[in-house]
Amino acid sequence: GDSVTQMEGPVTLSEEAFLTINCTYTATGYPSLFWYVQYPGEGLQLLLKATKADDKGSNKGFEATYRKETTSFHLEKGSVQVSDSAVYFCARRSGAGSYQLTFGKGTKLSVIP
Amino acid sequence: SQTIHQWPATLVQPVGSPLSLECTVEGTSNPNLYWYRQAAGRGLQLLFYSVGIGQISSEVPQNLSASRPQDRQFILSSKKLLLSDSGFYLCAWSAGRTGSYEQYFGPGTRLTVT
Repeated sequence: GDSVTQMEGPVTLSEEAFLTINCTYTATGYPSLFWYVQYPGEGLQLLLKATKADDKGSNKGFEATYRKETTSFHLEKGSVQVSDSAVYFCARRSGAGSYQLTFGKGTKLSVIP
Repeated sequence: SQTIHQWPATLVQPVGSPLSLECTVEGTSNPNLYWYRQAAGRGLQLLFYSVGIGQISSEVPQNLSASRPQDRQFILSSKKLLLSDSGFYLCAWSAGRTGSYEQYFGPGTRLTVT
């Protein structure tokens, strides 16, 4: 079935370091792809999205490019801040005709000063 | 703009007691609605989703149930809670029949069953 695989972490980085969180998905059609962020004790927030191949989603300094050839949607940020400490979830639309999303297991990021 | 509310924010209940969690959405019509559970340190588990009033689909058989009495209201219930029902419960909505299918989440309810 449809699935999303992301690096499990935890990931610990120093402030201003470069961030990459890998995400790959099963290649069933061309699903919409998403990154969500969850701060401690809160719900998930949509961080960015891409709806077709080669689309680049971006928000708050984060970027991710829809790579059809590698079925990937890696999240990147050039310079992380302490305030970026959170859990990041990659997700894809579950399948043609589906309203559901399939989520990865989440990657916990800790940024230290 | 659209907003989603959940209450209560936290709840401590004894084993065997009933449960009712409520979710409401404002600023949109005919949303798709979802209930997720997130166990401590783990990912999201879809419990129920609804594409319309009275239409509920269950993803995981368990002692929980859901109802949608109004277009923008989604309720999660249990007649008798188990210890394993502890977790963080998230409600979400998405716009039906749009191009990208993103979901928007509420602030969550932290349930502890003792």
